[in-house]
Amino acid sequence: AQSVSQHNHHVILSEAASLELGCNYSYGGTVNLFWYVQYPGQHLQLLLKYFSGDPLVKGIKGFEAEFIKSKFSFNLRKPSVQWSDTAEYFCAGGNSGGYQKVTFGIGTKLQVIP
Amino acid sequence: ETGVTQSPTHLIKTRGQQVTLRCSSQSGHNTVSWYQQALGQGPQFIFQYYREEENGRGNFPPRFSGLQFPNYSSELNVNALELDDSALYLCASSLQTGGGYEQYFGPGTRLTVT
Repeated sequence: AQSVSQHNHHVILSEAASLELGCNYSYGGTVNLFWYVQYPGQHLQLLLKYFSGDPLVKGIKGFEAEFIKSKFSFNLRKPSVQWSDTAEYFCAGGNSGGYQKVTFGIGTKLQVIP
Repeated sequence: ETGVTQSPTHLIKTRGQQVTLRCSSQSGHNTVSWYQQALGQGPQFIFQYYREEENGRGNFPPRFSGLQFPNYSSELNVNALELDDSALYLCASSLQTGGGYEQYFGPGTRLTVT
């Protein structure tokens, strides 16, 4: 079955701390992977995506993620978080080709303390 | 802003009633997907429409149905509403190509069933 799991449901960090949010997926075949962010009161926005090629993907606002096929992981990282990064982060995945069913993880609420 | 709009923003219905939610896709996008996001959960895939045909469905009963129009706008219809249908309903549009895809989400419609 296709699934995406996120390990941390609620993370609290101080400003300037480093961030790593875990995500594991269970998919057969070629997979497309995404990280979305939902700021308070705003809609879901795409942070970054992996389709193929370089497994280290850079996204907006200084975020990056690394696709490790052997570990079925796609962890999100940022070297130094800011208060404005307070949001909910969703890892998501889907099979490439065919119809675009995207499976989301449960989400991680990140709170950054000034 | 993604260019994907949804209406209405909020809706309150009574159990057993029917509801129609609307979505306007981003210009040029030929695929629309609908998701249900219950409180504290990630979005769950309901179904997807491509060129006015349903081409994928998640684990939702037939009382969840949809339409896509020639201008690629879309409707989600839910019959015989149940209390558990209370959720945020998200529409996402994308352009289906031979490679990967990106889904752009609207702000959602908050449905409350009493």
